[in-house]
Amino acid sequence: QVQLVESGGGVVQPGGSLRLSCAASAFTFNSYDMHWVRQAPGKGLEWVTFIRYDGSDKHYADSVKGRFTISRDNSENTLYLQMNSLSAEDTAIYYCAKGDYGGDSGIVMFDYWGQGTLVTVSS
Amino acid sequence: DIQMTQSPPSLSASVGDRVTITCRASQSISFYLNWYHQRLGQAPKLLIYGASSLQSGVPSRFSGSGSGTDFTLTISSLQPEDFATYYCQQSYSTPYTFGQGTKLEIK
Repeated sequence: QVQLVESGGGVVQPGGSLRLSCAASAFTFNSYDMHWVRQAPGKGLEWVTFIRYDGSDKHYADSVKGRFTISRDNSENTLYLQMNSLSAEDTAIYYCAKGDYGGDSGIVMFDYWGQGTLVTVSS
Repeated sequence: DIQMTQSPPSLSASVGDRVTITCRASQSISFYLNWYHQRLGQAPKLLIYGASSLQSGVPSRFSGSGSGTDFTLTISSLQPEDFATYYCQQSYSTPYTFGQGTKLEIK
């Protein structure tokens, strides 16, 4: 079955950097768009960024634009999130999610999610 | 950005009850609306996409309706495993914003 496994989370000081990874298996990774979604402790879900299946297009939430970079290695079935200039507001569980298109109109939906990796920004 | 507003923020109900959660978009999103639920300590799970299409493997007690700006998620007969937080999400345009969540608790 589809599996997404995030790694790379941890504790980092304000202003620091971290790179998250998401290892994908049991589906044709290079055919699907991928997303990162985060959830601050005790809070709701916030979409962060997505990358087209071939890496040709990327979109970011305003809250991370210019600081975070999404990328993928289709030969390794791995999604990445490079996070720079981190602040306390970036403290969250970061989930990677597989995108798909549903119905005749191609509704974007997140049909599989990893278990998440916790990023804590603290001095 | 499109804002998504869910109501109520929390809801107490009993096993077997019928419950409805609503979601309103700040502008028309046609039927580009998804529903997820998240059990405590787990990742979110897709329930409904395109406002009313049931995701594969999701029980038929879940149903969705609406278009434009107003949407509803209905659970026809609550089961113990349904007690979770429910989120709507618009996929009309990026950023793909979520509602703030509705926490469904056992009465």
